Amino acid sequence: SQTIHQWPATLVQPVGSPLSLECTVEGTSNPNLYWYRQAAGRGLQLLFYSVGIGQISSEVPQNLSASRPQDRQFILSSKKLLLSDSGFYLCAWSWTGGETQYFGPGTRLLVL
Amino acid sequence: GESVGLHLPTLSVQEGDNSIINCAYSNSASDYFIWYKQESGKGPQFIIDIRSNMDKRQGQRVTVLLNKTVKHLSLQIAATQPGDSAVYFCALYTGRRALTFGSGTRLQVQP
Repeated sequence: SQTIHQWPATLVQPVGSPLSLECTVEGTSNPNLYWYRQAAGRGLQLLFYSVGIGQISSEVPQNLSASRPQDRQFILSSKKLLLSDSGFYLCAWSWTGGETQYFGPGTRLLVL
Repeated sequence: GESVGLHLPTLSVQEGDNSIINCAYSNSASDYFIWYKQESGKGPQFIIDIRSNMDKRQGQRVTVLLNKTVKHLSLQIAATQPGDSAVYFCALYTGRRALTFGSGTRLQVQP
């Protein structure tokens, strides 16, 4: 069976500090991978998606970037965090060409 | 572009009653719809899906209805239980490799 992991689970960072959130998927090959942000009490906003190693599409211009160094690893980064970067970050995967997305447990980020 | 809306931000039901959560969408090109359940502090969990060539699909205690004429989607939960308390999101797929999510409905189950 497939599983998706995210870490850390929670993170408190000062404004201006760098960020690195990691997502890994097990039990599948060549998945599509996604990063979403969810503000408190709100829906999900797609940030990035990837269909393969080194292939990243950005949906929203912002202070964040994503990378996919390995087939089942997806990383969300920032060089300098802003207060507005606070939120719940969710990684998801889908089968190649698939529509249904399966979500990880999320990382709660608080920027102070 | 796509937009997805929810009719009610919060729905409160008695334990054992049936729940109906509604979702409206605007993009007639949408061909695949999903309902997710999100418990507090957790990632969304897939519940049930339906394709645009169907009007109804049933799962365990859940039914999804799709009315393409009025662009309306609903999730029915039978015999609602305390464990059903969560935020429910509808999402639609339009072939852009990504889902568009609604803002969610919070379901509160009263004992």
